[in-house]
Amino acid sequence: GAGVSQSPSNKVTEKGKDVELRCDPISGHTALYWYRQRLGQGLEFLIYFQGNSAPDKSGLPSDRFSAERTGESVSTLTIQRTQQEDSAVYLCASSLKPQQEAFFGQGTRLTVV
Amino acid sequence: AQSVSQHNHHVILSEAASLELGCNYSYGGTVNLFWYVQYPGQHLQLLLKYFSGDPLVKGIKGFEAEFIKSKFSFNLRKPSVQWSDTAEYFCAVSNDYKLSFGAGTTVTVRA
Repeated sequence: GAGVSQSPSNKVTEKGKDVELRCDPISGHTALYWYRQRLGQGLEFLIYFQGNSAPDKSGLPSDRFSAERTGESVSTLTIQRTQQEDSAVYLCASSLKPQQEAFFGQGTRLTVV
Repeated sequence: AQSVSQHNHHVILSEAASLELGCNYSYGGTVNLFWYVQYPGQHLQLLLKYFSGDPLVKGIKGFEAEFIKSKFSFNLRKPSVQWSDTAEYFCAVSNDYKLSFGAGTTVTVRA
């Protein structure tokens, strides 16, 4: 597609439920990032994928968070047993190569009630 | 660990005023530098970038930024702001592959 696509755009879930967020990067982009943006705060790095290399998971806040990406295609971010503090906008970005300009999706606004 | 600091949390100014937003980073190696902007209701988009060469870079909408290596700074400037520049501005630094962001500065331009 023309840009980075994320789905759903909004998700309301009950505390304790699992959620799965999806990111479609720009075709041909080898690098993919996930960030979390809490209300009024900056972007918190979560995870980075580069081609078929092992991902950098150093930003994942707990073992309830996991992410996958197959090759250079779609990525999914899964949050298990959601908590209220998980409420945030989850942003995905992709870039052609590492260190190049990153293109962002619209984000998924997650609300845990 | 690499970090990015933006000096101002919220800036309020009138149209035609000049704008300067500070950004400092902690990493000492070779870095690529970016400013992103997020207009209300829109996604993050690139304003300008610095990879190498002339340390004064020009971006879209009349913005420019200056890389000062000795100060680990990459400050954003615009000589005369417009109401439409109301947005949140993020400085970002990339080394190796990690792309780290500052906390952001909210800029409000009063008509």
